[in-house]
Amino acid sequence: GAVVSQHPSWVICKSGTSVKIECRSLDFQATTMFWYRQFPKQSLMLMATSNEGSKATYEQGVEKDKFLINHASLTLSTLTVTSAHPEDSSFYICSARDPTSGSSYEQYFGPGTRLTVT
Amino acid sequence: QKEVEQDPGPLSVPEGAIVSLNCTYSNSAFQYFMWYRQYSRKGPELLMYTYSSGNKEDGRFTAQVDKSSKYISLFIRDSQPSDSATYLCGAIQGAQKLVFGQGTRLTINP
Repeated sequence: GAVVSQHPSWVICKSGTSVKIECRSLDFQATTMFWYRQFPKQSLMLMATSNEGSKATYEQGVEKDKFLINHASLTLSTLTVTSAHPEDSSFYICSARDPTSGSSYEQYFGPGTRLTVT
Repeated sequence: QKEVEQDPGPLSVPEGAIVSLNCTYSNSAFQYFMWYRQYSRKGPELLMYTYSSGNKEDGRFTAQVDKSSKYISLFIRDSQPSDSATYLCGAIQGAQKLVFGQGTRLTINP
C-alpha cells in the first residue's frame, strides 16, 4: 500500500525558534497533501490543504503566517512552525492522496511528529 | 454542532466481546464514510470505508451506514487485546476534506 513518512518523529525546540516538519509520499506522487494537528485524547483537526505548486488553503482559525506550508514537489510537503510557543506543542500528522488510486476519498496518513516547545 | 459526532468513551470490554462503535453526522452531502484505527502516538490507519448506505464486512470488522438516520457504526467481533486503540470515524463529500469524529478509546481486557 501507499506509504507516507514524516521527519522528524519527535522534536523539542525552545520557545521563539522555528521548526520544520517534512512529509513525504514514498511510493506515489501526491498532488494533494493535508496537515492535521492532534492534541492529547482529541481528534485530528485539519489545519491546511496543500496542493503541489500552489499556495496552501488554510482552515479557519489557522494562522498562515505561523504555520508555513510548502509543497514544492509531488512527493514532499513541509510544515514550518515559526516562532514556536509552548501552546504549539502538539502531534502533527500529514496525509496524502494518490491521484492514481481511483478513489477521490482515500488519504494515506504519516506516522506523525510530536512537537514539544519548551 | 460538529459535523461528525462520536462518543469519546473510554470503552473497556473483555476479550472476545462484540464491540459497537457509533457516530452520527449532520451533513447529508457526505458520501464516503470511513473508520480509522490509531494506536498511541501513531498516525491513523484506514480500517474500512463504505459508500452511501449499507453494510461492509472485512474479517471481524463490519461497517454500517444508515443515511436516513445519519448513523455510522463499526462492529468488532471476537475482540482481541490487539484491537485496543482509538477508533476514529470520518466522513467526506467527494474530494472535499475528511471530517473526523472525536475518536473512541477502546480497551480490550485479556
